[in-house]
Amino acid sequence: RKEVEQDPGPFNVPEGATVAFNCTYSNSASQSFFWYRQDCRKEPKLLMSVYSSGNEDGRFTAQLNRASQYISLLIRDSKLSDSATYLCVAFILTGGGNKLTFGTGTQLKVEL
Amino acid sequence: DTGVSQDPRHKITKRGQNVTFRCDPISEHNRLYWYRQTLGQGPEFLTYFQNEAQLEKSRLLSDRFSAERPKGSFSTLEIQRTEQGDSAMYLCASSPTGQGPDTQYFGPGTRLTVL
Repeated sequence: RKEVEQDPGPFNVPEGATVAFNCTYSNSASQSFFWYRQDCRKEPKLLMSVYSSGNEDGRFTAQLNRASQYISLLIRDSKLSDSATYLCVAFILTGGGNKLTFGTGTQLKVEL
Repeated sequence: DTGVSQDPRHKITKRGQNVTFRCDPISEHNRLYWYRQTLGQGPEFLTYFQNEAQLEKSRLLSDRFSAERPKGSFSTLEIQRTEQGDSAMYLCASSPTGQGPDTQYFGPGTRLTVL
């Protein structure tokens, strides 16, 4: 079983739609969580951190449920420019340092 | 541009050849990471440096792989006797020293194709 699991999609949605991505993690020692965005053939870029209290950044809302080991990302009023792969990431502080564990990513395609 | 840079951006090699990739992190970042990403997968952690010390290596990093960061600045990743299964995007990331999680900034990657 992968440490971080995501539905690979693709999610095809019309412009203006609201779309939600889910992610589960298996390692209860995971301390922090992030969503990264990756455009086709580009490097991943941090989209936002995820907190238990939930956090919002413009049209994006992230939520963490530690009891269920579940992370979500909600995108409201989706734009064509939101089309990308969204990577769910868990952070573990290991004996040697920091380690990010990435999910396989969920592909989003926003269409006219 | 003060971001993470990687060189080369693309490398095509024949099976059995050795290849070396270079990563230049953001100048004030002490931590440097190497990841490998194959099509349809997320990046997989390979190894981590704090300054010049290699503090962690993934089991994915076989004996054919070696990474160095001799002066605590740039890093190199060498793959010896390349195999077709080594074809992937090799990503480097850096982050500043600090407590707890830190934002890792990724370079553009080196795309390796082994024929």
